[in-house]
Amino acid sequence: ILNVEQSPQSLHVQEGDSTNFTCSFPSSNFYALHWYRWETAKSPEALFVMTLNGDEKKKGRISATLNTKEGYSYLYIKGSQPEDSATYLCAFLRAGNMLTFGGGTRLMVKP
Amino acid sequence: NAGVTQTPKFRVLKTGQSMTLLCAQDMNHEYMYWYRQDPGMGLRLIHYSVGEGTTAKGEVPDGYNVSRLKKQNFLLGLESAAPSQTSVYFCASTLLSSYNEQFFGPGTRLTVL
Repeated sequence: ILNVEQSPQSLHVQEGDSTNFTCSFPSSNFYALHWYRWETAKSPEALFVMTLNGDEKKKGRISATLNTKEGYSYLYIKGSQPEDSATYLCAFLRAGNMLTFGGGTRLMVKP
Repeated sequence: NAGVTQTPKFRVLKTGQSMTLLCAQDMNHEYMYWYRQDPGMGLRLIHYSVGEGTTAKGEVPDGYNVSRLKKQNFLLGLESAAPSQTSVYFCASTLLSSYNEQFFGPGTRLTVL
């Protein structure tokens, strides 16, 4: 069983704070890493798919970096807003077309 | 486009009953997936399909069967439901491969008594 670990499990920040969280995954046999945003009572929505070591992706105030050699990815949110409150999932793509998801980081942004 | 839809949204079963969950997508995606989501466990892959007429086992396939007779539909069957199958079930699809982002349906909440 592949372990995909996310930390912290939950995070409370004030509006305007910048924050980041971590996804750790196996450093061998890397294919791709996905990040998803999952709002309560909705479905997960894709943020990024990252495939190359050193990759950096950005969408608005959210960005992500990837280090495949050491097996981690960081997700950053700059100037958090209440609408950023959600669970952020990472998922490791392994051989056989299967994504293994981490447990998620639940972010709550207080106005 | 409706995207990915799931039927039904909610269902309560008694132990031993059977049912089928339907996932439909109108994006002409090749790959489709069934996940279950349990508290503290994250999303776990049950079965998936890489094209019409093909299916494969995921991480937690026991107690479930699937079929992909048409490209746009992916069915998940429970032949004899057990309380351990109480969960929220999500269907997802992706265009050509698992390198592409997955599009998720709204989920089906299943309770087995």
